[in-house]
Amino acid sequence: AQKVTQAQTEISVVEKEDVTLDCVYETRDTTYYLFWYKQPPSGELVFLIRRNSFDEQNEISGRYSWNFQKSTSSFNFTITASQVVDSAVYFCALSEASYGGATNKLIFGTGTLLAVQP
Amino acid sequence: DAGVTQSPTHLIKTRGQQVTLRCSPISGHKSVSWYQQVLGQGPQFIFQYYEKEERGRGNFPDRFSARQFPNYSSELNVNALLLGDSALYLCASSSSGTSVSEQFFGPGTRLTVL
Repeated sequence: AQKVTQAQTEISVVEKEDVTLDCVYETRDTTYYLFWYKQPPSGELVFLIRRNSFDEQNEISGRYSWNFQKSTSSFNFTITASQVVDSAVYFCALSEASYGGATNKLIFGTGTLLAVQP
Repeated sequence: DAGVTQSPTHLIKTRGQQVTLRCSPISGHKSVSWYQQVLGQGPQFIFQYYEKEERGRGNFPDRFSARQFPNYSSELNVNALLLGDSALYLCASSSSGTSVSEQFFGPGTRLTVL
């Protein structure tokens, strides 16, 4: 069964602290894709990253970095030197390439609410 | 370029009524997907349409239906509304409907069923 678990419901940090958001996934497929989305209070989901199952290289984009480890089925997200504007709900999601004809079916976790205090 | 647009922004209905939500994808995108997000939860997949054909359906009752038009815009219809249908309905578009690609989401329609 496909499943995404984000065990951290809420995290509160002070500005400039580093913070890591955890994501653990379950899938029986060997080909799959992992995503992170940000949902600010306005409600619109903002795409952050897509990673396929064959690419385990970590990725860095500015203050954002992602650590993909197939051995532990984890795809964690770290924000370095957090800022108040980073406050939002962050979702990890899974898509299986072999799922029937629905190539864009995303399985989302329950999200982690990040509050960055000034 | 304009992003994904959805209308209306907010909607209030009563139980048993029917509702139609609309979505316009990013220009050039041919795939549209619909998600339901109940407060405090992650979005749940409802439908994907590509080139006007349904490509997938999530675990939702037949009261939910959708269609895609020649200009790739889409409508989501929900009949016989229940209180539990109250949620944020999100539309996402992507350039591909035949391979996994980034999906770009609209601002959503917040539906309240009384």
